[in-house]
Amino acid sequence: GNSVTQMEGPVTLSEEAFLTINCTYTATGYPSLFWYVQYPGEGLQLLLKATKADDKGSNKGFEATYRKETTSFHLEKGSVQVSDSAVYFCALSDANAGKSTFGDGTTLTVKP
Amino acid sequence: DGGITQSPKYLFRKEGQNVTLSCEQNLNHDAMYWYRQDPGQGLRLIYYSQIVNDFQKGDIAEGYSVSREKKESFPLTVTSAQKNPTAFYLCASTDRGKQPQHFGDGTRLSIL
Repeated sequence: GNSVTQMEGPVTLSEEAFLTINCTYTATGYPSLFWYVQYPGEGLQLLLKATKADDKGSNKGFEATYRKETTSFHLEKGSVQVSDSAVYFCALSDANAGKSTFGDGTTLTVKP
Repeated sequence: DGGITQSPKYLFRKEGQNVTLSCEQNLNHDAMYWYRQDPGQGLRLIYYSQIVNDFQKGDIAEGYSVSREKKESFPLTVTSAQKNPTAFYLCASTDRGKQPQHFGDGTRLSIL
């Protein structure tokens, strides 16, 4: 079956530091890949997505590239802010199944 | 604005009691999902429905029940058979099962 493995947290960074959160996946076929963000006490919000190999998703300074050869979709940001503190989830969707598979989430804390 | 509304935000259950969590969407989405989130863990799929009057079990359906009588509504009942119901419950929806998913703000269920 499908699975998503995320870098374990928590991750603590200083403001303006570079961020990488690793995500690898196992899936049959050609899934779409997503990063969601969850702020305390809220649901998940879509951060970015990529639907085919070599696509780069980007939003709010965050980027991730769909790498089929390494089955990876690592999240990066060049300069984090305190407001980026949240839990980040990597996910994949199988169009045939009509549902998503989520990683366990990575908690990011950014200190001023 | 369109979105997903979950209610109540906080819910308390007594031993042996069934409780129902509400999820309503006005996005005209066909598919709806229920997830359970435990502290420090990812999302686990409880039930999902891709069309009115039809639903499928997810990975952890035991102790839960759902109904899908209307397109916009997908209530989840946590039954007394669920021995460890304390968790954060998230409802989501998608258009025709396509991803990404849109999430509500969740219901936090606790045991009295």
